[in-house]
Amino acid sequence: DAKTTQPNSMESNEEEPVHLPCNHSTISGTDYIHWYRQLPSQGPEYVIHGLTSNVNNRMASLAIAEDRKSSTLILHRATLRDAAVYYCILRDGRYGQNFVFGPGTRLSVLP
Amino acid sequence: ETGVTQSPTHLIKTRGQQVTLRCSSQSGHNTVSWYQQALGQGPQFIFQYYREEENGRGNFPPRFSGLQFPNYSSELNVNALELDDSALYLCASSATGESYEKLFFGSGTQLSVL
Repeated sequence: DAKTTQPNSMESNEEEPVHLPCNHSTISGTDYIHWYRQLPSQGPEYVIHGLTSNVNNRMASLAIAEDRKSSTLILHRATLRDAAVYYCILRDGRYGQNFVFGPGTRLSVLP
Repeated sequence: ETGVTQSPTHLIKTRGQQVTLRCSSQSGHNTVSWYQQALGQGPQFIFQYYREEENGRGNFPPRFSGLQFPNYSSELNVNALELDDSALYLCASSATGESYEKLFFGSGTQLSVL
């Protein structure tokens, strides 16, 4: 399984943008980049995913480097509810591959 | 549309005992995956079931076994419990075959082995 590297923790102020980095230098052409987050006392939840192009949804934006060896999850205005562990995951787009979670980045949001 | 539900939420067992954890998939989902999450770590893949057949397994011993039922609900069974089995057990359902397979997780079962 291709590996990802994320900072252990990050801190942000409420209502400011947050950029969560992820390095994946061994990514293959068929690997999708996925982000999940885990709020306290809950299971992980889907945030966003992409392959080559930048992606936006109501929760966040995903910026993917041109060489695909890194990506950044962008929360445009952090709220206290965004405090969670964020997981960057590579998953082969072919059928049946499981999701491999690393330790993720623990995001703290300060009021 | 109901979400993924797991039962029980908490469980205490002693070493050597057996445990069964249950999961109800989200409506319309045909695949269920089980994960083990130790404190401070990311979830680790145990196995996946698709249409009642095991469809992939992580690095877990055979004493971890599972079932998926015709209604796509699932059970995780762990025999001969060890202290290191203490963890949060997460169930995730998904709809294999859709253009993008997104995991929907339950809130987990916290298992403590004494």
